[in-house]
Amino acid sequence: AQSVTQLGSHVSVSEGALVLLRCNYSSSVPPYLFWYVQYPNQGLQLLLKYTTGATLVKGINGFEAEFKKSETSFHLTKPSAHMSDAAEYFCAVKKAAGNKLTFGGGTRVLVKP
Amino acid sequence: EPEVTQTPSHQVTQMGQEVILRCVPISNHLYFYWYRQILGQKVEFLVSFYNNEISEKSEIFDDQFSVERPDGSNFTLKIRSTKLEDSAMYFCASSVEREGKDTQYFGPGTRLTVL
Repeated sequence: AQSVTQLGSHVSVSEGALVLLRCNYSSSVPPYLFWYVQYPNQGLQLLLKYTTGATLVKGINGFEAEFKKSETSFHLTKPSAHMSDAAEYFCAVKKAAGNKLTFGGGTRVLVKP
Repeated sequence: EPEVTQTPSHQVTQMGQEVILRCVPISNHLYFYWYRQILGQKVEFLVSFYNNEISEKSEIFDDQFSVERPDGSNFTLKIRSTKLEDSAMYFCASSVEREGKDTQYFGPGTRLTVL
């Protein structure tokens, strides 16, 4: 069975500082990997995904993530936090042949001025 | 940009009552999903639906739950006899294809409160 662990349920960063959100997964085969963001009172919006090819994936709003198979990780980063980045971020995995997303517990990001 | 919509945004019901949560997936999408998130817990997969059939369901999706695509645009989740533990945020999602790499697009959710 697949599982996803997000280290830290809450992260506080200063505006302009690096945002680093950690995601580790367990899966019997390399899965497809996703990061979603949820702004208040909105649905889950795809930030980026890794399926195949280049392991460094760029997404919307300046975010990127790197798939490291040896570490079973897919950490999300953004070089410089903006106030508008305050939201909850979810890492998720899906088997190549499946259609079920398995989510991590989410990390709520607070951006301080 | 096309969006998945869900109604109502908040539903309050008494234990034992039936509820129907409604979703309008993106128009050219063929695969539909329901997920839920109990407060403080992970987002959990409930069911996927394609071609008027359930293609996959989780152990949560028992006989109290059912899904339907009653017309060409709506996708519904019915809970026959609600329990307190059904209180959660329910998300609908849709995708063009079933393949693992395809993106699922989520609606804003319906918050269900069972009293």
